[in-house]
Amino acid sequence: AQSVTQLGSHVSVSEGALVLLRCNYSSSVPPYLFWYVQYPNQGLQLLLKYTTGATLVKGINGFEAEFKKSETSFHLTKPSAHMSDAAEYFCAVITYSGNTPLVFGKGTRLSVIA
Amino acid sequence: GAGVSQTPSNKVTEKGKYVELRCDPISGHTALYWYRQSLGQGPEFLIYFQGTGAADDSGLPNDRFFAVRPEGSVSTLKIQRTERGDSAVYLCASSPSRDTGELFFGEGSRLTVL
Repeated sequence: AQSVTQLGSHVSVSEGALVLLRCNYSSSVPPYLFWYVQYPNQGLQLLLKYTTGATLVKGINGFEAEFKKSETSFHLTKPSAHMSDAAEYFCAVITYSGNTPLVFGKGTRLSVIA
Repeated sequence: GAGVSQTPSNKVTEKGKYVELRCDPISGHTALYWYRQSLGQGPEFLIYFQGTGAADDSGLPNDRFFAVRPEGSVSTLKIQRTERGDSAVYLCASSPSRDTGELFFGEGSRLTVL
C-alpha cells in the first residue's frame, strides 16, 4: 500500500524566506504525487501534481516540487514566502494504475512571520 | 453552484443519534469521494462512488457508516448511533474522471458528537 510522510507538522518562515516542506512517499508501483493546500476556512485545493515526464513540476502561487525517485521524495518549495502562503499543506499519493484512492499525509502547517 | 457544496457546515449531536451529511458535487463530475479529517490529521479516505455505485468502500470504519448516491449526483453520508469518536470534519470531493488524484473539495461538514 502506498503512503506519504510529511516531516514537520509545523514550519515557520519569515516573509521573503525560502519555503521548504518535506514529503517522502512509499509505493511499490510508480506513484502519482500531489500537493494540496488548505487555507483557513476553505476547502482543500490542488497546488501541483506529478504524474509522468518532467520531474520538476510547477504549481500555482509560485510553488514547485521535484520528484526524486532515488530519495522517494517530493518536497515542496517556494523561493520567497508571502504572508498569504500561511496555510495547511498536504502531500498525497495515488498509484499509477489508479486503483487506489488518494492517500494523504498528516499535513504541515506553514506560518509566515512578517 | 460552481464548486462542491456540503451541508450542514456544522452539526452538533448527542451520542447515539443518527446523522446525515449531504454533498452536492460539481455538475458533470462522475466520481465522488468522502474523506474524514480529524484534528491534526490529514484527510482519511472513507468511500468512493463512480456514478451511482460505491466502487470502493474500504475506508468506512464500521457498519454504522453508510453512504448513498442514488442518482449519480448528490451523495449522503449516514452515520448511525453516533459516538464521540466520530467527531471530525467530513470532506466531500468530486472529480471529472476516475482516480486521477485531482479532486475538488468542498469546505466540509464539521460533526461534533457530545
